[in-house]
Amino acid sequence: DTGVSQNPRHKITKRGQNVTFRCDPISEHNRLYWYRQTLGQGPEFLTYFQNEAQLEKSRLLSDRFSAERPKGSFSTLEIQRTEQGDSAMYLCASSLGTDYSGYTFGSGTRLTVV
Amino acid sequence: QKEVEQDPGPLSVPEGAIVSLNCTYSNSAFQYFMWYRQYSRKGPELLMYTYSSGNKEDGRFTAQVDKSSKYISLFIRDSQPSDSATYLCAMTGNTGGFKTIFGAGTRLFVKA
Repeated sequence: DTGVSQNPRHKITKRGQNVTFRCDPISEHNRLYWYRQTLGQGPEFLTYFQNEAQLEKSRLLSDRFSAERPKGSFSTLEIQRTEQGDSAMYLCASSLGTDYSGYTFGSGTRLTVV
Repeated sequence: QKEVEQDPGPLSVPEGAIVSLNCTYSNSAFQYFMWYRQYSRKGPELLMYTYSSGNKEDGRFTAQVDKSSKYISLFIRDSQPSDSATYLCAMTGNTGGFKTIFGAGTRLFVKA
């Protein structure tokens, strides 16, 4: 296992279009997190899954955003009717266990809405 | 006021210098304190984490946590040009699936 994989690496889309990102976590990790990072800022929490259950969503995650993790494996993050303010780096991270052991992040998907 | 405050820099130092990076926070429920390093166009990479107050050393890196002052630090000894990156402090508590709150990051440049 080579770590957390995110696809695509870059996405340019027109305003109003829908986009979907995929994250493949480290296979034995039961927790999966989505964060958003804009230029000059730290990552901001969006949502997290424990196995297939989505346990928490940030207020940043408007109705246009939806995330899934079918069967507790890979996860997808969909943004509907994209806006220019959605332009950011979308980071996925995974972790293991009931105690804290830190996250392993993917390299992110950079979204540009034009 | 943000939960975690971190000076964004940039911080520029000569090779071999000791670097001090700091964060303050407001939520007393935080118990795990981390430092991540992020290179340009990459995801953050966990450097160190500390539980509660105290010091932790790993090679050239030392992390310090002072919960009474709500202040954490990362020291880098004998800094190298390869240390040039953005350093993010981060923290979490024992609830909410260890949802982590990040600082804005400090950009560090180490000049050869």
